[in-house]
Amino acid sequence: NAGVMQNPRHLVRRRGQEARLRCSPMKGHSHVYWYRQLPEEGLKFMVYLQKENIIDESGMPKERFSAEFPKEGPSILRIQQVVRGDSAAYFCASSPGSRNSMNTEAFFGQGTRLTVV
Amino acid sequence: DAKTTQPTSMDCAEGRAANLPCNHSTISGNEYVYWYRQIHSQGPQYIIHGLKNNETNEMASLIITEDRKSSTLILPHATLRDTAVYYCIVRTGANNLFFGTGTRLTVIP
Repeated sequence: NAGVMQNPRHLVRRRGQEARLRCSPMKGHSHVYWYRQLPEEGLKFMVYLQKENIIDESGMPKERFSAEFPKEGPSILRIQQVVRGDSAAYFCASSPGSRNSMNTEAFFGQGTRLTVV
Repeated sequence: DAKTTQPTSMDCAEGRAANLPCNHSTISGNEYVYWYRQIHSQGPQYIIHGLKNNETNEMASLIITEDRKSSTLILPHATLRDTAVYYCIVRTGANNLFFGTGTRLTVIP
């Protein structure tokens, strides 16, 4: 049973380019969470998605960032027109759909390290 | 907003028990306490979670006080590989695993 898979593991983009980060949740998981971790800082919640729905995007920057979790395929975090300040590690987590979601652990991938040059 | 308070850092001798405290005095009745750790810059690793009863698994034990205002994560026999940042999290809903600053545990040989 593969864990949460993120790719690419490392991504280098020039300023102004687009970055696409992919997250394949664990088998049977329908909830996906994205977090960002700046160097030497803690993890900051960005967005929570269920299949085809954004449930909570309160941590997403208002511009240039978007996320989706289509019915088929991985979840995608998209960053348009990247700037140096977007350089960070981006982590995805998944959990199964559950009646009592507070009692359900979420499992993290190994992250994508984005470097904007 | 963080709902937990943890010491910034702790040391533990290899082979000894590591006891990591966490205060969550404003926890609500239906909120769970979760513990994760992050080793170096890897993805956070789930350790354990609980509501009111003490919990134990192959990694650790979680002791929650009767009033639920604090808890302690216990690693019974710390190894060098347990050196990490440990996060205590009060889960307020399906969408909220809020990571504070955590405790940086250093296991000393």
